[in-house]
Amino acid sequence: GAVVSQHPSRVICKSGTSVKIECRSLDFQATTMFWYRQFPKQSLMLMATSNEGSKATYEQGVEKDKFLINHASLTLSTLTVTSAHPEDSSFYICSASFAADYGYTFGSGTRLTVV
Amino acid sequence: GEDVEQSLFLSVREGDSSVINCTYTDSSSTYLYWYKQEPGAGLQLLTYIFSNMDMKQDQRLTVLLNKKDKHLSLRIADTQTGDSAIYFCAESAYNQGGKLIFGQGTELSVKP
Repeated sequence: GAVVSQHPSRVICKSGTSVKIECRSLDFQATTMFWYRQFPKQSLMLMATSNEGSKATYEQGVEKDKFLINHASLTLSTLTVTSAHPEDSSFYICSASFAADYGYTFGSGTRLTVV
Repeated sequence: GEDVEQSLFLSVREGDSSVINCTYTDSSSTYLYWYKQEPGAGLQLLTYIFSNMDMKQDQRLTVLLNKKDKHLSLRIADTQTGDSAIYFCAESAYNQGGKLIFGQGTELSVKP
């Protein structure tokens, strides 16, 4: 149980276009999901906390108009990278918590390459 | 602010034990986690420990927590080549709204 599915696993897009990444909790409901970004050989940087039915909470320095988060249901959160640029190329990972004492389950990540 | 520190590299021989260390600064941490990340993949939860515990064992994995020194370790017994990966420790606390603070990750290399 407690599986988080992330899609797509890899995406290549042209500069200026937008890309949507989906994160689904498959067998549990997640009122809160988290979006992270990871650069090569580096740790995970929290970008935002996605709350079902309300606005996302963004970390300092993360542009909310560039990284649009929608958490329309208890099992789905989406991250849209708008007007992507090469510097947005990165590994994006989502996570959700099944229960307070269970830990956080992570999706398999999305490798975004902007050309 | 909150900070989690790990050494960056560890190399061991197959069959030996590996010990990966982590220190953290937030004394209000409630849970501490160990995650494993293989190349190009997401994070796999290995184990976690509640802050009122000092040890947790799960098959080949042993977690030790020294709350006084804010030190966490992960011991992997009989390390195998398949254990080669990056290991992240992370902490969460009620006053952080449930978000995780990660260390830099320790790259474990297991040599045959």
